[in-house]
Amino acid sequence: GQNIDQPTEMTATEGAIVQINCTYQTSGFNGLFWYQQHAGEAPTFLSYNVLDGLEEKGRFSSFLSRSKGYSYLLLKELQMKDSASYLCATSGTYKYIFGTGTRLKVLA
Amino acid sequence: GAVVSQHPSWVICKSGTSVKIECRSLDFQATTMFWYRQFPKQSLMLMATSNEGSKATYEQGVEKDKFLINHASLTLSTLTVTSAHPEDSSFYICSASGTGKGLGTDTQYFGPGTRLTVL
Repeated sequence: GQNIDQPTEMTATEGAIVQINCTYQTSGFNGLFWYQQHAGEAPTFLSYNVLDGLEEKGRFSSFLSRSKGYSYLLLKELQMKDSASYLCATSGTYKYIFGTGTRLKVLA
Repeated sequence: GAVVSQHPSWVICKSGTSVKIECRSLDFQATTMFWYRQFPKQSLMLMATSNEGSKATYEQGVEKDKFLINHASLTLSTLTVTSAHPEDSSFYICSASGTGKGLGTDTQYFGPGTRLTVL
C-alpha cells in the first residue's frame, strides 16, 4: 500500500533547529517533496529529493534514505514566520501522496 | 517562474447552484493539473488528475458528474462543482506540473486556493 507518516505537531523556540521526520511506503518512487502551508493558504514548494542524501537550501535542508523509506526536513535558525504546517509528499507510480502534515509552532 | 493562479479566491453560493473555479499556469505549460480539496486541519485530498486534451482521472469516491473538470489548454483547467450543497464547502486547491526551464521534475506548483462556502 501507500502510506506516509509524520508527527502531528511540534513546538520549537525561535532561533533553534527543528527536524521534522517523515516515513513512507509507496508503489514506485519518483521523488519526495516537502511543502510549507500557512493556515488558510495553499502549499508552497520547499524541496525535492530523488537520490539519497542531504539537499541544503538556505535555512532549510531535506534528507532522504530510499532504503529506509525515510526523510526529514531540517529547519535552522527558526523564525516566527516558520510557524506553519509542513507536508511530506511522495511521487509514485500512480500518483502523488501527501502526509497529513506537521503543524510547527515557533515560540518567542 | 512556475506561478499558478486560481479564480475566484473565495465564493459564497446558494445550495443547488453550480460554481466554476479556474486554474491557470501563468508562465509555463502545464501538462498535468491536479485538483485537491482540503477540510480544516486536514491534509490535501486529491480529487482528480487531468492532462491537457484528455478526460480527467478521478480518485475513488469522487463523483465525476458532480465535479466536472476540463483541461482545455496547457495553461487552463476548470473545476465546476455542480448542484453544490453545504457539505461541498471546502478549500479547493489546484496545482500544475510541467516541463520547462527552471521547473522541477515532477514538482507540483500550487495555486492560492479557492474557499467555497455553500449556504
